[in-house]
Amino acid sequence: GAVVSQHPSWVICKSGTSVKIECRSLDFQATTMFWYRQFPKQSLMLMATSNEGSKATYEQGVEKDKFLINHASLTLSTLTVTSAHPEDSSFYICSATAQKSSTDTQYFGPGTRLTVL
Amino acid sequence: GNSVTQMEGPVTLSEEAFLTINCTYTATGYPSLFWYVQYPGEGLQLLLKATKADDKGSNKGFEATYRKETTSFHLEKGSVQVSDSAVYFCALGSGYALNFGKGTSLLVTP
Repeated sequence: GAVVSQHPSWVICKSGTSVKIECRSLDFQATTMFWYRQFPKQSLMLMATSNEGSKATYEQGVEKDKFLINHASLTLSTLTVTSAHPEDSSFYICSATAQKSSTDTQYFGPGTRLTVL
Repeated sequence: GNSVTQMEGPVTLSEEAFLTINCTYTATGYPSLFWYVQYPGEGLQLLLKATKADDKGSNKGFEATYRKETTSFHLEKGSVQVSDSAVYFCALGSGYALNFGKGTSLLVTP
């Protein structure tokens, strides 16, 4: 089946630094990738949708300059948390889809836990 | 706006017990409904889905029926196994967006 990986799985950084998280589709070409954020015991919240070669579409309330998303190829999307602060600590999950019209073909990565000290 | 509410866990059951995880939703239009499962250390996987009212999704012994009159999509399994231990997420889909519930942790003991 389709596999999506994320790297790193866990990262700890100091306040004020930037952190990059990678999301890769290993065995298929992902036309669209999604980034979610999950707080403890909370549901996944969609942060942004990115299509290969174009700018990401951010959900309301998500700071574009804070969470930089790049989808440079059909197998890789990156999320950069800039000038991270403790309130950015969370579990970040990506998903990818090879189709343009169906939500049920989203394949999820295992997630990245970010801790900002 | 669209939202999903699912029962809080954790749920602990003995092997071969009957499972029900409740899920209700609020939505405009005609969304699709999903159950995703997340096994320890893995990403979310689609378990089953239903795209219109009265549809029943089923997979691996799990079933859920899209009930428009009660705005529900409860997950059921007649006889759970230890390998079913995971976190289960109910989700509502409209276009690209997926709205997830908070997840319900299930632990099945031998």
